[in-house]
Amino acid sequence: DTAVSQTPKYLVTQMGNDKSIKCEQNLGHDTMYWYKQDSKKFLKIMFSYNNKELIINETVPNRFSPKSPDKAHLNLHINSLELGDSAVYFCASNGGPRYQETQYFGPGTRLLVL
Amino acid sequence: KQEVTQIPAALSVPEGENLVLNCSFTDSAIYNLQWFRQDPGKGLTSLLLIQSSQREQTSGRLNASLDKSSGRSTLYIAASQPGDSATYLCAAGSSNTGKLIFGQGTTLQVKP
Repeated sequence: DTAVSQTPKYLVTQMGNDKSIKCEQNLGHDTMYWYKQDSKKFLKIMFSYNNKELIINETVPNRFSPKSPDKAHLNLHINSLELGDSAVYFCASNGGPRYQETQYFGPGTRLLVL
Repeated sequence: KQEVTQIPAALSVPEGENLVLNCSFTDSAIYNLQWFRQDPGKGLTSLLLIQSSQREQTSGRLNASLDKSSGRSTLYIAASQPGDSATYLCAAGSSNTGKLIFGQGTTLQVKP
């Protein structure tokens, strides 16, 4: 009965590879997010989608491309991985386009680029 | 630009103590202020959400207050327990940008 799920939980890969992280929510929410938590535990938003439409796109490299096939899924594809991409990536969702409601977070994907 | 700061960065207390975690934000144009808990290696769990029109919210031993004019929020934990050990993050929902801006967290250790 996981509300927000992410796969994989751990991802270890070589520099230069392309990888994808998947996120699914079964809460019926309209809005989904991707956050990055760096080694200092600082959590920062990357993207936000509302009903499959991109509404927030932070200043992240073009190598990061989110895709939302439907409002229950938001995937993150990363091209040409770099060492600095190593971090924990969290998916989240809530019921509206702004932060008026509680956000529900997934368990995170721990990415290590070697 | 909204900036959220949490003090202290780390806190260690004996079991049973009442404690206060502090959060400050620079832009008072917020929708809400949220407190989250993060356990090691886990995702974030929402604890309390205070709407901009509210002054405080309570859940069990937790009480969060909000003072928009001074740009401050506090999380009060009563009768702390070892199970409360975790990192506590506050986040301000910005009216201007529609984004949730996080502080860097306070890591709490409650010793038995």
